[in-house]
Amino acid sequence: QVQLVQSGAEVKEPGSSVKVSCKVSGGISSSYTITWVRQGPGQGLEWMGRIIPIIGTPNYAQTFQGRVTISADTSTSTAYMELSSLRSEDTAVYYCARVTGKGMDVWGQGTTVTVSS
Amino acid sequence: QSVLTQPPSVSGAPGQRVTISCTGSSSNIGAGYDVHWYQQLPGTAPKLLVYGNINRPSGVPDRFSDSKSDTSASLAITGLQAEDEADYYCQSYDSSLSGYVFGTGTKVTVL
Repeated sequence: QVQLVQSGAEVKEPGSSVKVSCKVSGGISSSYTITWVRQGPGQGLEWMGRIIPIIGTPNYAQTFQGRVTISADTSTSTAYMELSSLRSEDTAVYYCARVTGKGMDVWGQGTTVTVSS
Repeated sequence: QSVLTQPPSVSGAPGQRVTISCTGSSSNIGAGYDVHWYQQLPGTAPKLLVYGNINRPSGVPDRFSDSKSDTSASLAITGLQAEDEADYYCQSYDSSLSGYVFGTGTKVTVL
């Protein structure tokens, strides 16, 4: 059974960048997409972008264009999400999820990113 | 901001039936894209609850079902149980935004 395991919590200063990893146990396949979703404190789910790991071309939500970079390393079965120019409003839990024809069917445990000076 | 609109909260007594609406537009639900539903218990990651049209992952009870019409979708929970108290989100794809979109989320309270 596929599992997504994310890197640990991060505390960052405003203006810096954060890179969150998402390791896919069971290997990366061409049959699905890895997507990133964030959730601010007490807020709803917000889609950030996605990548088909085998192909490598990402697709980003307009809200995050120019600030987010999603990538994947098939040799280590790991996907990454890097967010730059951090501000306090980026404080959130960041999730990776596998997307198949059944929707986002497997989720990582979430990574808390706190932006504070 | 979310392009799929849900009621902020719904509530019901144990055993009752509740429904959660998800209103979209012609560029997402109305365009025929699948709608999926997720359940999020406090402090945990979302979990896929219902996908496509009335499909449930293994282990999800048949008390959960969905429907779709025009630019809207609905999730129904029958035989409401205390363990159903959670936040629920709909999700689809939007052709104008060229990406996935989520609903605003609905908190279900069991009275």
